Amino acid sequence: EIVLTQSPATLSLFPGERATLFCRASQSVGSHLTWYQQKPGQPPRLLIYEASNRATGIPARFSGSGSGTDFTLTISSLEPEDFAVYYCQQRNNWPPLTFGGGTKVEIK
Amino acid sequence: EERLVESGGRLVHPGGSLRLSCAASGFNFNTYSMNWVRQAPGKGLEWVSYITTTSGTKYYADSVKGRFTVSRDNARNSLFLQMNSLRADDTAVYYCVRDAGLVGTPFDPWGQGTLVIVSA
Repeated sequence: EIVLTQSPATLSLFPGERATLFCRASQSVGSHLTWYQQKPGQPPRLLIYEASNRATGIPARFSGSGSGTDFTLTISSLEPEDFAVYYCQQRNNWPPLTFGGGTKVEIK
Repeated sequence: EERLVESGGRLVHPGGSLRLSCAASGFNFNTYSMNWVRQAPGKGLEWVSYITTTSGTKYYADSVKGRFTVSRDNARNSLFLQMNSLRADDTAVYYCVRDAGLVGTPFDPWGQGTLVIVSA
């Protein structure tokens, strides 16, 4: 089973600041890495797929990069609606499909 | 609008059974593989099960293997999860999720979820 480790667990930032979130895989997942955003009381929403492709309707301030075992989600300038929990997920070697433990981006 | 609506979640006693349903609309259900993903209260996401378009392939997380069964009815645009021998650690919101049909097959869309509580 591929384990995804997200860091940091919590990121405290001001609106307008840049957010950098990390996801590390226990073995290579190629580029088959997806990022989701989840707000309280809502289901997750697809943000980035195949490591760097923004999903339909996702603002350009969200970007993803990486391949192999190390991936990054960057939010260039945080908007109030971006404060949420972010999860990475791999689909290179499955089953099982696995998710990271999440990073909470909170307002400082 | 592509939509997934789950139902069937409720309070059930340990050892009991429950059948979750997911109604799909706004897309050709029979052309997409489907999944169940769950989230325990205050916790992260856990993939539960996967089923292909014709039900020819089904996968399960080890935590539910032998207890849960995924199925679908393409004529009724519906996905199901039969849950037997339920345990307290099965307590979670269960999401019905579609393979997005994109490279790398991410999950999109997600239903709003249905809450299953396993407690005496």
